[in-house]
Amino acid sequence: DTGVSQNPRHKITKRGQNVTFRCDPISEHNRLYWYRQTLGQGPEFLTYFQNEAQLEKSRLLSDRFSAERPKGSFSTLEIQRTEQGDSAMYLCASSLRTGLSYEQYFGPGTRLTVT
Amino acid sequence: DAKTTQPNSMESNEEEPVHLPCNHSTISGTDYIHWYRQLPSQGPEYVIHGLTSNVNNRMASLAIAEDRKSSTLILHRATLRDAAVYYCILSHDQRGGKLIFGQGTELSVKP
Repeated sequence: DTGVSQNPRHKITKRGQNVTFRCDPISEHNRLYWYRQTLGQGPEFLTYFQNEAQLEKSRLLSDRFSAERPKGSFSTLEIQRTEQGDSAMYLCASSLRTGLSYEQYFGPGTRLTVT
Repeated sequence: DAKTTQPNSMESNEEEPVHLPCNHSTISGTDYIHWYRQLPSQGPEYVIHGLTSNVNNRMASLAIAEDRKSSTLILHRATLRDAAVYYCILSHDQRGGKLIFGQGTELSVKP
């Protein structure tokens, strides 16, 4: 069991640039979630996929953000025209349906710094 | 989404039990009670979850009030490694199983 992996672990970019993060979930996990966490706060839900279908997007996810999970395996989160307020830890989690409650496994996160 | 209320911080001594409370007075009948914890510089980690009955696993126990308006996470013997932020979260498959995190309780463990 290799766990959830995220790449890169750290990203520094200049305001206005585009960035893309990748998440590889645990094999066979059909749900994948993205969260964002700023310093001193709990993680905030951004979006989730069931297989390749994106089923919900938070209102926090502006038009500059887009997420994909093309084959129901890995996922990418792209931020276009980054702003300083996008600086945060971006967390990915995956889960497998085992009933009515889904235990989520989190990756180590990608820390984004926008200068 | 139903909300939870937790103390901002708690302290414990190493090798002593810790009881972390959570209030969720607006819980619906189908909400599961989840606990996750986040160690410094790591992603959150699942601890335990339950619906109505008390639950035990290798990490902790979850005691759920009869009216389900509150719950308590019990760490039987705190270790230094248990120092973390503990989040009590209500979640359900009908909402996609997403987790809505609050501020959590920051637990410090003294040797």
